[in-house]
Amino acid sequence: GENVEQHPSTLSVQEGDSAVIKCTYSDSASNYFPWYKQELGKGPQLIIDIRSNVGEKKDQRIAVTLNKTAKHFSLHITETQPEDSAVYFCAASMGGGSQGNLIFGKGTKLSVKP
Amino acid sequence: EPEVTQTPSHQVTQMGQEVILRCVPISNHLYFYWYRQILGQKVEFLVSFYNNEISEKSEIFDDQFSVERPDGSNFTLKIRSTKLEDSAMYFCASSESPARNTEAFFGQGTRLTVV
Repeated sequence: GENVEQHPSTLSVQEGDSAVIKCTYSDSASNYFPWYKQELGKGPQLIIDIRSNVGEKKDQRIAVTLNKTAKHFSLHITETQPEDSAVYFCAASMGGGSQGNLIFGKGTKLSVKP
Repeated sequence: EPEVTQTPSHQVTQMGQEVILRCVPISNHLYFYWYRQILGQKVEFLVSFYNNEISEKSEIFDDQFSVERPDGSNFTLKIRSTKLEDSAMYFCASSESPARNTEAFFGQGTRLTVV
C-alpha cells in the first residue's frame, strides 16, 4: 500500500523567513496530495492541495510543488508569521470514491519565533 | 461556514467497555470517514462509508469496530470492547461526493482514553 514519508519532524524559523516541508510517497497511482494544518486541540484543516496533473499551486503565502517522476511534493510557506505555528501533515490519496482514504505523513511541528 | 461536529470532545472509559463516538457530517456531504491519531503519531485511516455501507477499511478496523448512520445526520463509530491501545484522538471527516479528489473536512476530534 501507499506510504508517505515527511521531513523534517520539527522546524523552527524566525518570523518572516520561509519554511519548507517535504514529503515522498511510494504508490505511483496516488494522484491527490493535500496539506493539512493542525493547531493544538483541533482537527486537521486543509490549507492547500495539488493534483497530479499540476506541478505547482500557489495561494498567497503558501505554495505546493509536485514532482511525479520523483514521487515527492513540498509545502512552501513564505513570510512566516507566529500564527503559522502548528503541526503540518502531508497526505496522499488515489482519489475519491472507494479510494478516497488519505494516507498521512508523520507531521512537521513548525515553530515561528517572533 | 459549515463544519463537521463530533461529540463528546473527551471520553474516558474502562477497558472492556463499549464506546460510541458520534459525528455530524456537513449536511450535503455523502462520503464519511473515521481516522485516529495516537498521541504524537500520524493520522491513520480507519474506514470510509458511502451509501450506507463501508467502502474501504484499514487493517486497524477489525471486528471490534463498527460504523453506522442511524439517521439522516449522525455517523457513529462503535468500539465493542475497548483496549488500552484504543486510546487516541478519533477524527470524523466528510466529503461532498464520491467523485475524484474532493476535499475532506475534519471535525475537531474526540479524545478517547481507555483506563
